[in-house]
Amino acid sequence: DAGVTQSPTHLIKTRGQQVTLRCSPKSGHDTVSWYQQALGQGPQFIFQYYEEEERQRGNFPDRFSGHQFPNYSSELNVNALLLGDSALYLCASRAQGSAYGYTFGSGTRLTVV
Amino acid sequence: EDQVTQSPEALRLQEGESSSLNCSYTVSGLRGLFWYRQDPGKGPEFLFTLYSAGEEKEKERLKATLTKKESFLHITAPKPEDSATYLCAVQASNSGGSNYKLTFGKGTLLTVNP
Repeated sequence: DAGVTQSPTHLIKTRGQQVTLRCSPKSGHDTVSWYQQALGQGPQFIFQYYEEEERQRGNFPDRFSGHQFPNYSSELNVNALLLGDSALYLCASRAQGSAYGYTFGSGTRLTVV
Repeated sequence: EDQVTQSPEALRLQEGESSSLNCSYTVSGLRGLFWYRQDPGKGPEFLFTLYSAGEEKEKERLKATLTKKESFLHITAPKPEDSATYLCAVQASNSGGSNYKLTFGKGTLLTVNP
């Protein structure tokens, strides 16, 4: 079982650019959440997708947007990158209705220069 | 607003020296409390879910307990491979049952020396 797969693993972007991060959930999982983890901090909830729709959003600006595809994979898009967007972006998946904890991927390390 | 506070921020133990990590939380209603382990440069790895006060769960050298205000992660006779950051998170319930967000603490960095 491949677990949650994220790509790319590392990315360097320039301030003002746009970035797309990708996530393939664990086999059998249909719900995908995205989190941002700054250095030395716990993960912060960005949003969750289920049935190709965003069903909950955290306190992040509209520059952060996402998408879920029919195969349950997901993308996170960030526009007009700021230096403060530098962080580890984590994708987590779970089967809807499961009592088990979310499974996290290893993340994408984004550096904005 | 949901809040999670973990203490201590960092803990250094000798191999075999048992100890406990604390997670204090404030939520309007608790749907679940989660413990994760995170190694450097990796994503969090699920350890336990606790749902109600008095519940306990064990896995190898780890035991998690839950009260109405806090959770403890007890580590018995730790080994160097237990070194990691341990994260606590809560999922609050709401009347509509539509909250899916996990609120995390900052974590406790555990170092176990041989």
